[in-house]
Amino acid sequence: QVQLVESGGGVVQPGGSLRLSCAASGFSFSSYGIHWVRQAPGKGLEWLTFIQYDGSNKYFVDSVKGRFTISRDNSKNTVYLQMNSLRTDDTAIYYCAKDGWYCSTTTCYTRSAEYFQHWGQGTLVTVSS
Amino acid sequence: QAVVTQEPSLTVSPGETVTLTCGSSTGAVTSGHYPYWFQQKPGQAPRAFIYDTSNKHSWTPARFSGSLLGGKAALTLSGAQPEDEAEYYCLVSYSGAWVFGGGTKLTVL
Repeated sequence: QVQLVESGGGVVQPGGSLRLSCAASGFSFSSYGIHWVRQAPGKGLEWLTFIQYDGSNKYFVDSVKGRFTISRDNSKNTVYLQMNSLRTDDTAIYYCAKDGWYCSTTTCYTRSAEYFQHWGQGTLVTVSS
Repeated sequence: QAVVTQEPSLTVSPGETVTLTCGSSTGAVTSGHYPYWFQQKPGQAPRAFIYDTSNKHSWTPARFSGSLLGGKAALTLSGAQPEDEAEYYCLVSYSGAWVFGGGTKLTVL
């Protein structure tokens, strides 16, 4: 079955950096994009970023542009979120979620039901001095 | 970037009907925004409930339905049950980027 496991969270000082990982299994990883979503304590969900199945397209929310980068290693079935210049308001649980746009070697098409159907359990990032 | 707006909180009596809405600062929410709805209970990851405006997952109770209503996406709960008490989030697509609404805390009381 589809499984996403985030790791890399922890406590970091303001201005510091952290790299999160999202390890995937149970599906054709190199055929799907991956999203990162976060949730600050007691707050709502915030979509952060997306990386396409082959890494060729990436999108970011304005609040993290220039500070966060996203990458993937399809040989390791893993997506990375590099977070730099961290601020106290970046404190949150960070989730990765699977996209629904499927691309094989010959074709791409949308699998609507699969968008954000599978989430990891989240990893907690705390930015504090 | 767009701002997606939801009612911060709603209360419904057991067995009654309630509609949650999801509006966009850019104008009407349409099927082209592929609105999604999620349920989240405390300490849990969000769970997808409705996709592409009105489609249900196999685990979505039949009493939930999605639609477009007056320029907004809507989630209607017909016959509320105590277990439906949760936070509900809509998610809207904007050409590659996505935006969550602020969430609606639904109380069944």
